[in-house]
Amino acid sequence: SQQGEEDPQALSIQEGENATMNCSYKTSINNLQWYRQNSGRGLVHLILIRSNEREKHSGRLRVTLDTSKKSSSLLITASRAADTASYFCATDASHNAGNMLTFGGGTRLMVKP
Amino acid sequence: EPEVTQTPSHQVTQMGQEVILRCVPISNHLYFYWYRQILGQKVEFLVSFYNNEISEKSEIFDDQFSVERPDGSNFTLKIRSTKLEDSAMYFCASSAAGGPDTQYFGPGTRLTVL
Repeated sequence: SQQGEEDPQALSIQEGENATMNCSYKTSINNLQWYRQNSGRGLVHLILIRSNEREKHSGRLRVTLDTSKKSSSLLITASRAADTASYFCATDASHNAGNMLTFGGGTRLMVKP
Repeated sequence: EPEVTQTPSHQVTQMGQEVILRCVPISNHLYFYWYRQILGQKVEFLVSFYNNEISEKSEIFDDQFSVERPDGSNFTLKIRSTKLEDSAMYFCASSAAGGPDTQYFGPGTRLTVL
């Protein structure tokens, strides 16, 4: 897979359930960021986790990073219909000079009321 | 809360025409970026810009593309002679610092090349 690939590609859950999305990458990274995108709209930054961090929380979001497995996960707890969106991970590879982010293909999350 | 703004929200142009997409990054940010997203595809990096010069650019950012910070607030992307395949959503982003710092994205400009 390419740098920053998410799985699953699509996820459908009921309101109140938890949603877990995974991201894998190939090269060493400085940091990994998760973004949300509503259909046809801009990218909203959710959380940044640095390469020396293993877990971060922000509200109902929990992100983990396992640099040995080159993977990250985003957990949304107690999901709401308003969480329906596409979620992307983006990596800033260590060898980049200009902080280029490489995005994955995203997970399309649908939360049914 | 400060945010990145982009104009226009939608630009329609004829193939071969020049377009300029405009961005106003967050005011105290020093690093600026352009990305694009072709419909249904991944977000792709185009270029990063710091201290009035390009820091990094992708293979997509060929001679048809250029960036400029004409004054203290604007950051522009110019496409000299647009092609059909340039049709995409173009996102501007900025960050306060380099390295592991959050990149904040604007709402995007949808470019349609006919």
